Formats: sequence, C-alpha cells, structure tokens
Amino acid sequence: GQNIDQPTEMTATEGAIVQINCTYQTSGFNGLFWYQQHAGEAPTFLSYNVLDGLEEKGRFSSFLSRSKGYSYLLLKELQMKDSASYLCAVMDSNYQLIWGAGTKLIIKP
Amino acid sequence: ETGVTQTPRHLVMGMTNKKSLKCEQHLGHNAMYWYKQSAKKPLELMFVYSLEERVENNSVPSRFSPECPNSSHLFLHLHTLQPEDSALYLCASSQDLGGTGELFFGEGSRLTVL
Repeated sequence: GQNIDQPTEMTATEGAIVQINCTYQTSGFNGLFWYQQHAGEAPTFLSYNVLDGLEEKGRFSSFLSRSKGYSYLLLKELQMKDSASYLCAVMDSNYQLIWGAGTKLIIKP
Repeated sequence: ETGVTQTPRHLVMGMTNKKSLKCEQHLGHNAMYWYKQSAKKPLELMFVYSLEERVENNSVPSRFSPECPNSSHLFLHLHTLQPEDSALYLCASSQDLGGTGELFFGEGSRLTVL
C-alpha cells in the first residue's frame, strides 16, 4: 500500500529552527508538497519538490531525496505564528495525492 | 476574500436530516475536490470533478451525494448521516486535473452529526 509518515506533534522555541520529516512509500512519484494549516483555517501551499535537493523560500526550506523516499521541511527563526499543522503529500504515478496525517507544531516563547 | 469559499462553516445535524454543503471558487480553475479531514488522520479524497464531470469517487457511501452544476460551484448533499461522519469537510480547486499544480482549499465546513 501507499503511505506517508510524519511525526504527530513537535514542539520548538520561538527564534529556533525546526525540521519536520516526512517519509513516503508510493506507487510512482510526481512530486511532494508541503501545506500549512492553522487551526480552523484552510490548508495553504508552502512548497513543491520534484527533483532532489533543497528549495529555499524565505524562512522555509524543503528538501527531497527520491532515492530515500524522504523529505523535510525546515523552518528557521521560528515565530509564534508558525504554530500550525504541516501536511506532507506525495503525488503518485496516477497523479493522485497521498497525504500524511500532518505534524502539529507548537511554538513556545 | 479567499479564492475558495465554503458555507456553512459549521453545521450540526441529526441522523435523519438532509443538508447541503456549498463550495464556490473564484479562481477560474477546472478541477474541484471534496476532502474529509478527521482528527489525526490523513485527508481523505471523496470526490473529484473536472470541467463539471465527476472523475473520481473513492468508495464514498451513498449518503454523500455531490453535485457540480458549473465549474465554479460544488455541492455536497448529506442525508441519513452517521455520527462517524462528523468531521471537517474541505473543498479544494486546482487549475487542471492531473497536473502538479497546487490545491487551493476553502476553510472547510465543520460537520457534527448527533
């Protein structure tokens, strides 16, 4: 079967750096997405990786290793507003999105 | 105003009621989706429409009935639901089906079935 694994919950301190990991096993691969979802709000797109390597976008970076079936989302200079759930999703060979259960990130002052 | 709007935001219904969830997208997208989001579970794809034609139904119980009258509107009709159907129902759209473009989500309709 297809599955996406990511930690259920993480805690980090304001101003610090946190890395949220995502491992996947899917039938084919057409890219990996990260979405951010604040409580009670819509998920919003953060990043898309289809080639190996690091994609940087401001304080957020996303890394992909296709050979390892692994990605991470790196958040730097954490702010209280970064408290949210982070959803990892992989697009398989049929262009179907396979979703992880999300990682709830708690930022403490 | 967000690109994808869902109403109502909250809905409480009994198991014998009939209600509908509405989604509207203002982005000119060709594909629309219904997802179910339950606590600590992955998003579950329920229905997919492309150019107003249903292209996916992931074994969803018949008590959920979608309707797509045009490319901007999507409905989810609910009847004789069960308590386990209580969840957040998210609507999303994308430019096209099958591409690698991002999804744009609405804020969801929080459904409670008593």
